[in-house]
Amino acid sequence: AQSVTQLDSHVSVSEGTPVLLRCNYSSSYSPSLFWYVQHPNKGLQLLLKYTSAATLVKGINGFEAEFKKSETSFHLTKPSAHMSDAAEYFCVVSPRLRRGGADGLTFGKGTHLIIQP
Amino acid sequence: NAGVTQTPKFQVLKTGQSMTLQCAQDMNHEYMSWYRQDPGMGLRLIHYSVGAGITDQGEVPNGYNVSRSTTEDFPLRLLSAAPSQTSVYFCASRRLLGGGADTQYFGPGTRLTVL
Repeated sequence: AQSVTQLDSHVSVSEGTPVLLRCNYSSSYSPSLFWYVQHPNKGLQLLLKYTSAATLVKGINGFEAEFKKSETSFHLTKPSAHMSDAAEYFCVVSPRLRRGGADGLTFGKGTHLIIQP
Repeated sequence: NAGVTQTPKFQVLKTGQSMTLQCAQDMNHEYMSWYRQDPGMGLRLIHYSVGAGITDQGEVPNGYNVSRSTTEDFPLRLLSAAPSQTSVYFCASRRLLGGGADTQYFGPGTRLTVL
């Protein structure tokens, strides 16, 4: 069994300040973890993924996330927010090893990131 | 390549009507799936397919049918639309095995309203 909790439904930051979007997961096996971004009226775009290599994962647009097994967390960060970062962000967990069948992806409920000018 | 494409982008139906949401991908991905996204919730899996001729149910399959006659196409059919099916529908695809198989590619979505 697995689950994902995004701790904040909304996060508001000023342009140029750091961004922190929090994600905790539970899993009975070694998971893969992802962050997706969804801009208004758009599809989901992969920001970054963790699949067992380095625990600090760098993604697109300056985002990165750190996998912390002891804390079962995969928080998303960015040093300096830009207006174009305003979007919905989803944390996703899945089994690392698939043998076919359903993906087993579990999505968090999303965090709406607001960037203040 | 175009990636994952979906048509239509918007659709309004009356209760009881049927329709088909189209999905196509040009990446030769074996695995394709349909999700629905409702306010305040993440995506939930409706149906999926691991290859042509093979489909199976996901978390919320009731009221929907799928078929996979080719690798490229994976249409989703609403048999008799209900207001509870008002949602945004996303199609996704990925490789089935091997490197990169864990990365899903999503289409732009279809916004469906059932009156």
